[in-house]
Amino acid sequence: GDSVTQMEGPVTLSEEAFLTINCTYTATGYPSLFWYVQYPGEGLQLLLKATKADDKGSNKGFEATYRKETTSFHLEKGSVQVSDSAVYFCALSPRTYTQGGSEKLVFGKGTKLTVNP
Amino acid sequence: NAGVTQTPKFQVLKTGQSMTLQCAQDMNHEYMSWYRQDPGMGLRLIHYSVGAGITDQGEVPNGYNVSRSTTEDFPLRLLSAAPSQTSVYFCASRHETGAGEQYFGPGTRLTVT
Repeated sequence: GDSVTQMEGPVTLSEEAFLTINCTYTATGYPSLFWYVQYPGEGLQLLLKATKADDKGSNKGFEATYRKETTSFHLEKGSVQVSDSAVYFCALSPRTYTQGGSEKLVFGKGTKLTVNP
Repeated sequence: NAGVTQTPKFQVLKTGQSMTLQCAQDMNHEYMSWYRQDPGMGLRLIHYSVGAGITDQGEVPNGYNVSRSTTEDFPLRLLSAAPSQTSVYFCASRHETGAGEQYFGPGTRLTVT
């Protein structure tokens, strides 16, 4: 079945460091890929998305590129801030070429990021 | 727009009690879902609905009931609470078109003693 694997945390960085959180997936068809962010005590917020191979999603300085050949969707940010401390989830929506998004999202287990001043 | 709203924010139940978690959205989304979040497990789908009057089971449906009488509301019922249902519950919705992105509520933290 469809699955998402993301690097286990926790990840601790200093402010202005470079961030990479690895995410790989297994899916049939043409899944859409997402990164969600969860701040302490809050729900999940959509951070960015990509819907086809070589698409780059970006938001708030974060980027991720849909790599079909390596089935990956790694999250990157060039210079993290203390306010980026949160849990990050990679997710996919199963989808065939002729369909829109599925009724469900398949999530990775989350990676906790702590950024120290 | 309030987006997706959930009540209550926190709840403590005793084993065997029943309760309903409320979820509402004001975005006119056709799809609504319930997930539970447990440490180290990510989010798992409990039940979902593709429109009023239509519901189906997700990965972990046992012990939960849902109904969808209106587009806006999608309550989740715990029939007889068990300690294994201690979790954080999230409701989500999405439009039928688009890439499949879902929009989440703030969550309900449930403890069953």
